Amino acid sequence: KQEVTQIPAALSVPEGENLVLNCSFTDSAIYNLQWFRQDPGKGLTSLLLIQSSQREQTSGRLNASLDKSSGRSTLYIAASQPGDSATYLCAVIRAGNTGKLIFGQGTTLQVKP
Amino acid sequence: DAGITQSPRYKITETGRQVTLMCHQTWSHSYMFWYRQDLGHGLRLIYYSAAADITDKGEVPDGYVVSRSKTENFPLTLESATRSQTSVYFCASKSADRFHGYTFGSGTRLTVV
Repeated sequence: KQEVTQIPAALSVPEGENLVLNCSFTDSAIYNLQWFRQDPGKGLTSLLLIQSSQREQTSGRLNASLDKSSGRSTLYIAASQPGDSATYLCAVIRAGNTGKLIFGQGTTLQVKP
Repeated sequence: DAGITQSPRYKITETGRQVTLMCHQTWSHSYMFWYRQDLGHGLRLIYYSAAADITDKGEVPDGYVVSRSKTENFPLTLESATRSQTSVYFCASKSADRFHGYTFGSGTRLTVV
């Protein structure tokens, strides 16, 4: 059974700091991996999608990497801003494209001005 | 407008009542999903659909019914609401290809009293 774990559960950093959020999964046979952001009381916003054949994806100050062999993905946020404060969720789609996303519990980030 | 929309945004219902949550997407995505989000449990899959008239159970399907007579709509019905079904419900859709990830609706906050 695929399990997704995100560490740390919560993180507080001063503005301007570079940071890394971690995601690990138990079964390396994944189809895709997707990072989301969720603001309090809001829906999920897609940040980055990494296909299983890719190593990383970048969007602005965000960079997500994928290492299937070790069952890990990281989300790197450069020059953090207070507006980056949110919960970040990692989710994997199992191989065979059943379509079902399996989520981690999320990392709640607070960026202090 | 293009996108995925959920209605209602908020709903309060009484125990034992039937309630239907609506989900509509404008992309003609093959896959549609219903998740519930609860503190301590994260996001859990209730039901999903790979195409019109094809649905299947997810992790927590008991007490819920779905249908998908049209590609763009995927309503979720609570046949006899219970307090344990108080939650935030998210609908999502995804195309069949691997180049695009999930897109989530804004959610329905359901309270069963």
